Amino acid sequence: LAKTTQPISMDSYEGQEVNITCSHNNIATNDYITWYQQFPSQGPRFIIQGYKTKVTNEVASLFIPADRKSSTLSLPRVSLSDTAVYYCLVALSSNDYKLSFGAGTTVTVRA
Amino acid sequence: GAVVSQHPSWVICKSGTSVKIECRSLDFQATTMFWYRQFPKQSLMLMATSNEGSKATYEQGVEKDKFLINHASLTLSTLTVTSAHPEDSSFYICSARDLAGGGNEQFFGPGTRLTVL
Repeated sequence: LAKTTQPISMDSYEGQEVNITCSHNNIATNDYITWYQQFPSQGPRFIIQGYKTKVTNEVASLFIPADRKSSTLSLPRVSLSDTAVYYCLVALSSNDYKLSFGAGTTVTVRA
Repeated sequence: GAVVSQHPSWVICKSGTSVKIECRSLDFQATTMFWYRQFPKQSLMLMATSNEGSKATYEQGVEKDKFLINHASLTLSTLTVTSAHPEDSSFYICSARDLAGGGNEQFFGPGTRLTVL
């Protein structure tokens, strides 16, 4: 399983854009990059997934450079309710889709 | 997205007793489900992979005789913590992948808080 590295914490204010960069230098050809959000005492919630270039949904955007050794989750105009832990994971399409969670990034949004 | 439920959401038990936690995929089938454990202020740790109709596979360091996993149907996996002790107190979370959904994302349950007195 590819190891990921992301900042431990980030602070932001309401209405700002938050960008979290994740390094995954050992990502394999078949690996997908997936981001999850977790609130205290809840299970992780899927945010977005991508393989290359840019992916956008109603919640976030995911930017993946050509070498795929890193990715950036972009949360536009955050609100207080976006305060959570964000996990970057890579999952091999084989190997039962096992996920290995790193420490995650604690994002704190202030008023 | 697909929905995964867990029951109970929390449980308190005495040391030495066994506790069963259920994980259900409500609107999809899952031949594979995963069980995680999360201690306070820590990340999720994968405990085991639950395979429908076959034995579960456990991660290194996880005692298979203590954490019994049964995956009897395509929508239900159970985790039984046997002879629970206070150090087993944790947040247990399951996940499943929607086979027919076509995507690669896993859907997580809401978690079960286990407290062993």
